[in-house]
Amino acid sequence: KNQVEQSPQSLIILEGKNCTLQCNYTVSPFSNLRWYKQDTGRGPVSLTIMTFSENTKSNGRYTATLDADTKQSSLHITASQLSDSASYICVVSAIGNQFYFGTGTSLTVIP
Amino acid sequence: NAGVTQTPKFQVLKTGQSMTLQCAQDMNHNSMYWYRQDPGMGLRLIYYSASEGTTDKGEVPNGYNVSRLNKREFSLRLESAAPSQTSVYFCASSEARGPFRMGYTFGSGTRLTVV
Repeated sequence: KNQVEQSPQSLIILEGKNCTLQCNYTVSPFSNLRWYKQDTGRGPVSLTIMTFSENTKSNGRYTATLDADTKQSSLHITASQLSDSASYICVVSAIGNQFYFGTGTSLTVIP
Repeated sequence: NAGVTQTPKFQVLKTGQSMTLQCAQDMNHNSMYWYRQDPGMGLRLIYYSASEGTTDKGEVPNGYNVSRLNKREFSLRLESAAPSQTSVYFCASSEARGPFRMGYTFGSGTRLTVV
């Protein structure tokens, strides 16, 4: 069964600290993996997209990694800011235009 | 630069009432989607339209109907609303930017409450 699991479910960190969010998937055949940021009351916005051959990709303070062998991805946030408070959703796409969503990690950054 | 526009943003319905959620995109995308998002369950696909003139059921289609009016517009209709349809609804569109590389753009959502 194609599934996407994210951990932790929620996370609270101090402003300025780093954190890492995890995404494990069983989707096959794998096409790509996206991380989305969803602010409260808004639609998800894409942060990064990674294909099978990509191991690391950065977008400002966000760095995503992908291990296609173990089917794991992580999103690392460096020097967190209050504006990073949001839900982060991992979406895995299977070849054939099928999308599988994780339930998200709720991140709260406190001053 | 509107992207995906959804209306209305908020709606309260009584059980049994009907309504249509509107969605329009200005990016010339072929594919459009309707999702619902419930606490602890993530986004679940209701219906999608791979191209103008086609629609297909997603994971949770019961109680909904859709219409792909043209390439820009994809509407979601609740014929007889039920409390179980209380949720936040998101419209999205996508286009391939290369082999298997699908870009997803979401609207800002419609918060629907059925009482």
